[in-house]
Amino acid sequence: DAGVIQSPRHEVTEMGQEVTLRCKPISGHNSLFWYRQTMMRGLELLIYFNNNVPIDDSGMPEDRFSAKMPNASFSTLKIQPSEPRDSAVYFCASSPWTSITDTQYFGPGTRLTVL
Amino acid sequence: GIQVEQSPPDLILQEGANSTLRCNFSDSVNNLQWFHQNPWGQLINLFYIPSGTKQNGRLSATTVATERYSLLYISSSQTTDSGVYFCAVKRSSGSRLTFGEGTQLTVNP
Repeated sequence: DAGVIQSPRHEVTEMGQEVTLRCKPISGHNSLFWYRQTMMRGLELLIYFNNNVPIDDSGMPEDRFSAKMPNASFSTLKIQPSEPRDSAVYFCASSPWTSITDTQYFGPGTRLTVL
Repeated sequence: GIQVEQSPPDLILQEGANSTLRCNFSDSVNNLQWFHQNPWGQLINLFYIPSGTKQNGRLSATTVATERYSLLYISSSQTTDSGVYFCAVKRSSGSRLTFGEGTQLTVNP
């Protein structure tokens, strides 16, 4: 299996622009998670989906952030408009979420820089 | 929410040394995972260990859920073990994984 795939790996944009981050989870996994990592706040869960349905979006910082999962193999995290404080590494993770194991597997991350 | 404390925050070792990393958590959990973030930023799951002991090569982990702590043991450390080790837990009544601040490990040749 190729693991969790994220694109782009690096994104540099200017304040006010729309940013879309993409994630393909591991095939067969039914849970998907979006995290943000910064030096100041560490790893934070933004939102997660179970069977393509958003379960907990309480970590989404504000209305500028939105996430979708139109099918089991694709998810997007969108920031509109972007701000310099959104600069961070954004990770996507997926999990089989069975009753036996709930191990999360992380993608390589997208390093976002907002100028 | 649940509090996760990791210690020590930083650790410097010579290659070949052994080490123990600790994770304390403030509430009962049904999920505990250890991750390694390598110097290139990749997060790799090491153990899923809500209780008991597991071993994988030079690494092993023990979780004592009743006393709310977990330990990660690294034996015969190698320079490739360098990076940040995170403990993450999920409350028994909760649904989100909460990460500790990590232990920054540096293994010198």
